[in-house]
Amino acid sequence: NAGVTQTPKFQVLKTGQSMTLQCAQDMNHEYMSWYRQDPGMGLRLIHYSVGAGITDQGEVPNGYNVSRSTTEDFPLRLLSAAPSQTSVYFCASSRESIRNSRQPQHFGDGTRLSIL
Amino acid sequence: GNSVTQMEGPVTLSEEAFLTINCTYTATGYPSLFWYVQYPGEGLQLLLKATKADDKGSNKGFEATYRKETTSFHLEKGSVQVSDSAVYFCALTSENYGQNFVFGPGTRLSVLP
Repeated sequence: NAGVTQTPKFQVLKTGQSMTLQCAQDMNHEYMSWYRQDPGMGLRLIHYSVGAGITDQGEVPNGYNVSRSTTEDFPLRLLSAAPSQTSVYFCASSRESIRNSRQPQHFGDGTRLSIL
Repeated sequence: GNSVTQMEGPVTLSEEAFLTINCTYTATGYPSLFWYVQYPGEGLQLLLKATKADDKGSNKGFEATYRKETTSFHLEKGSVQVSDSAVYFCALTSENYGQNFVFGPGTRLSVLP
């Protein structure tokens, strides 16, 4: 039972480079999301998706793109990396929320990204 | 908008001490409240949750009660162990924010033997 799998675990980029952070889940969850974790700021939502073909912006979407072509995969793209994007990135998934009963999220182990 | 405030720590305790980590929230509607725990090098794991006022969530000796009158969801444990050393996040979701979670800044707990 893999749950939520993120790759790579670590990455170092130079300013201006592009890359894609991969996220896959095997629980058939409709809802997936990307967060960044910075010291003293908790987790901040970047983008999320409520199902295949549907994505929307979170709190801090600038500089990131996402797509959701399948239920299982939700990649996060950095088109032109900047030092301010140095962070730990977490992908999460959950079942569709049932009215008045929010479903908890399952998290991957994170990708530690450094932009030089 | 919705927000979560929690004591940032770090909190350092001796083994078998009593733990309280305060969490207060601001939200419209009827939020659900969660505590997540993050061990070093890992993602967040759900620790406990409560979906309506006066509910008590509990797991692994940890407890938290949903107090609507004080907008609080404080985490407690009667006797901490070294293995409880981690970062603890308070979080909420509410109807006006879809399924998106709002997290507090996290509280780092260190338990010394």
